[in-house]
Amino acid sequence: DVKVTQSSRYLVKRTGEKVFLECVQDMDHENMFWYRQDPGLGLRLIYFSYDVKMKEKGDIPEGYSVSREKKERFSLILESASTNQTSMYLCASRPTGRGYSNQPQHFGDGTRLSIL
Amino acid sequence: QQQVKQSPQSLIVQKGGISIINCAYENTAFDYFPWYQQFPGKGPALLIAIRPDVSEKKEGRFTISFNKSAKQFSLHIMDSQPGDSATYFCAALIQGAQKLVFGQGTRLTINP
Repeated sequence: DVKVTQSSRYLVKRTGEKVFLECVQDMDHENMFWYRQDPGLGLRLIYFSYDVKMKEKGDIPEGYSVSREKKERFSLILESASTNQTSMYLCASRPTGRGYSNQPQHFGDGTRLSIL
Repeated sequence: QQQVKQSPQSLIVQKGGISIINCAYENTAFDYFPWYQQFPGKGPALLIAIRPDVSEKKEGRFTISFNKSAKQFSLHIMDSQPGDSATYFCAALIQGAQKLVFGQGTRLTINP
């Protein structure tokens, strides 16, 4: 079974802080994703990575950066947290080269981040 | 062009009833349409998916209906049960791409 683990379930930070959200997957997947989930807006892609040290912007990358130094770990960084970044953050992974029906994205259980 | 529009935002159905959630898209390059189910405190998980070469796919009580000409697809949950209470997301994908485009989500509540 694929396991995507997000390091924190709940996190409270202050405006202006640098915030790190960590995600680890145990299935050697090439692709990893960061989404934010807000009511009425669904899941919006922030960044994704298709290989170590490779990254691509998603739909809402402003205010965020990412780091992928090892294949199993994908970090989301809020450079200077703001209150409008209060949200649920979801990490996902999937392998390359297989049909989506056989290997869909597997999600972690999310980190609920509050910026005060 | 990249959007997937989902409705309704919330839905309340009596136990045993049929739950219907609708999605519409614009980009004709989309060729894979999954539905994800998310329980409180959990990440979304793939529920059922369809490709546009078929008009319907059924897995147990869950059915996707697909209308290619209208660029619409829907999820039907037959004999809805309280355990089906969750948030449902439709999504779409372009062949060979990695990025899913998600709908806005529907919070489904099944009353006992």
